[in-house]
Amino acid sequence: QSALTQPASVSGSPGQSITISCTGTSSDVGSYNLVSWYQQHPGKAPKLMIYEVSKRPSGVSNRFSGSKSGNTASLTISGLQAEDEADYYCCSYAGSSVVFGGGTKLTVL
Amino acid sequence: EVQLVQSGAEVKKPGESLKISCKGSGYSFTSYWIGWVRQMPGKGLEWMGIIYPGDSDTRYSPSFQGQVTISADKSISTAYLQWSSLKASDTAMYYCARGFGDGYNFDYWGQGTLVTVSS
Repeated sequence: QSALTQPASVSGSPGQSITISCTGTSSDVGSYNLVSWYQQHPGKAPKLMIYEVSKRPSGVSNRFSGSKSGNTASLTISGLQAEDEADYYCCSYAGSSVVFGGGTKLTVL
Repeated sequence: EVQLVQSGAEVKKPGESLKISCKGSGYSFTSYWIGWVRQMPGKGLEWMGIIYPGDSDTRYSPSFQGQVTISADKSISTAYLQWSSLKASDTAMYYCARGFGDGYNFDYWGQGTLVTVSS
């Protein structure tokens, strides 16, 4: 099992929108609608932001949205805010196991 | 309030054994999965495995199968992650988390347990 591929870093200015991609294979992202996204601030535990490709847990801002096309999933954050600066990890079911992406550091300029 | 409280930081020597814990409260412990995630220093998240305390159904990542043991004691709402012989490469932060649905989405997380293995 290989880690899902994410860009190492992305950046945007407050108010802008950014998208983080997550590329897998036909054995994980491409085969299951079980992609999730986690936000992690330094020194903190991860927080679930999106699950099952596009569902938001209660309490997560609707500025966060998810989608998937083929073997690539995406997380879009609209109306960037300073508090969104964090590491983001995608995650996919891969047939009785789970694989994470390598993580993307989001910088809010 | 759902809470997962993990045991404290550990410093161990290579070859030693270790069992860390994760106690759940505020929900039905036997109705949700508990998963373990490793984060090595300065690195990303790695899925280790999950257990369903209701029937002890356990699934491991191929990367961790045989390297660790995941267990649970439902009578005290506690899950465990165990090593029989630690290596320096096991140095990491370990998180437990509550899994919902089929267990592969983690909605509540513990605070993490830092394990340091050094001679």
